[in-house]
Amino acid sequence: GAVVSQHPSRVICKSGTSVKIECRSLDFQATTMFWYRQFPKKSLMLMATSNEGSKATYEQGVEKDKFLINHASLTLSTLTVTSAHPEDSSFYICSARDSGVGYQETQYFGPGTRLLVL
Amino acid sequence: AQTVTQSQPEMSVQEAETVTLSCTYDTSESDYYLFWYKQPPSRQMILVIRQEAYKQQNATENRFSVNFQKAAKSFSLKISDSQLGDAAMYFCAYRSADFGNEKLTFGTGTRLTIIP
Repeated sequence: GAVVSQHPSRVICKSGTSVKIECRSLDFQATTMFWYRQFPKKSLMLMATSNEGSKATYEQGVEKDKFLINHASLTLSTLTVTSAHPEDSSFYICSARDSGVGYQETQYFGPGTRLLVL
Repeated sequence: AQTVTQSQPEMSVQEAETVTLSCTYDTSESDYYLFWYKQPPSRQMILVIRQEAYKQQNATENRFSVNFQKAAKSFSLKISDSQLGDAAMYFCAYRSADFGNEKLTFGTGTRLTIIP
């Protein structure tokens, strides 16, 4: 149980284009999902908290208009990197919190998406 | 703001031996959760073990156990009978128990190498 998927696993795009990354909780409902960014050999940096049916909460320094988050259902959140530039190249990871019974404080992570902007 | 410190950037252990990874944290809260996550070369973050701060008993999951010292704000991870598959980056993480403050604060990680 508690499986989170991400799609795509890796994407290469041209500078100036937009890229959408999907995060799905496969066997549980998640009212809250999280988006992280991880640079090589570094820890995870929280970008935003995605809440189902409401606006995402962004961390300080994260551009809302550049990293669009939509959490339209209890099992799906999307991150769209708009007008991507080479500095946006990174590893993006989502996580989801199980809204049901059990360990609701625990975040389960997706396998990550490697974005390369040329 | 809470901070999490992992003072060992790298550790190595002989296969079948025991290794302890250290983690300290700073918080003014009395109720919170602590986690150890493992990130193997695939980069999939995997939950290893969780600890509720209000529980005095140390959490245990098979070969993995923690030494939770609340007063010292210390949360170390012990891996017994180390296996090759344990090789990974290990991240310690803190989460407030406050409803609505769900973000995880991660340490900088410890890279564990298993020597055959």
